[in-house]
Amino acid sequence: GENVEQHPSTLSVQEGDSAVIKCTYSDSASNYFPWYKQELGKRPQLIIDIRSNVGEKKDQRIAVTLNKTAKHFSLHITETQPEDSAVYFCAASILTGGGNKLTFGTGTQLKVEL
Amino acid sequence: ETGVTQTPRHLVMGMTNKKSLKCEQHLGHNAMYWYKQSAKKPLELMFVYNFKEQTENNSVPSRFSPECPNSSHLFLHLHTLQPEDSALYLCASSQDRGLAGDEQFFGPGTRLTVL
Repeated sequence: GENVEQHPSTLSVQEGDSAVIKCTYSDSASNYFPWYKQELGKRPQLIIDIRSNVGEKKDQRIAVTLNKTAKHFSLHITETQPEDSAVYFCAASILTGGGNKLTFGTGTQLKVEL
Repeated sequence: ETGVTQTPRHLVMGMTNKKSLKCEQHLGHNAMYWYKQSAKKPLELMFVYNFKEQTENNSVPSRFSPECPNSSHLFLHLHTLQPEDSALYLCASSQDRGLAGDEQFFGPGTRLTVL
């Protein structure tokens, strides 16, 4: 089955700096890669996703890049703000219908310091 | 509360008890999921239902028994649990648009403690 590894497990940045979180996956058939943000005591929420037919996707301060050959994808947050502090999870799956069976990484605790 | 709701929010049970977790989605989605979230571990997919049919059982022990009576409701029946089953149990739902992509919407979770 799919295995997703995520690094780093914790990341501390100064407000205004950029943050990068990296994930690798094992199943070359995976074609869908979402990123979820989970604030303390709250539910995970999708912040951005990318499909395997696209190499990069951007949404305001958030961007995701995908390298299918190397089987890794990354989350980039620019101009970080204190409200970006949360745990970020990457995930991978094969979209075929019949439900989206996501395999998640172990999460990255991002702390944005003032 | 709209979207995906879960009850109860907190549950403490003994190893010999039988209890059930309930999830309801108000989004018109056709897929529903159970996840287990433990400290220092990734979110673990347990079960997937699509149009009420189970499409995934991720090698979950039989002491966890899911039930999906319709596309809006999902239950997780618990019996003879172990202390290591203590975790946050999250329900999610999605439209499951196949290759078009798929955002899963999570409920607030049930914090389960097994004594």
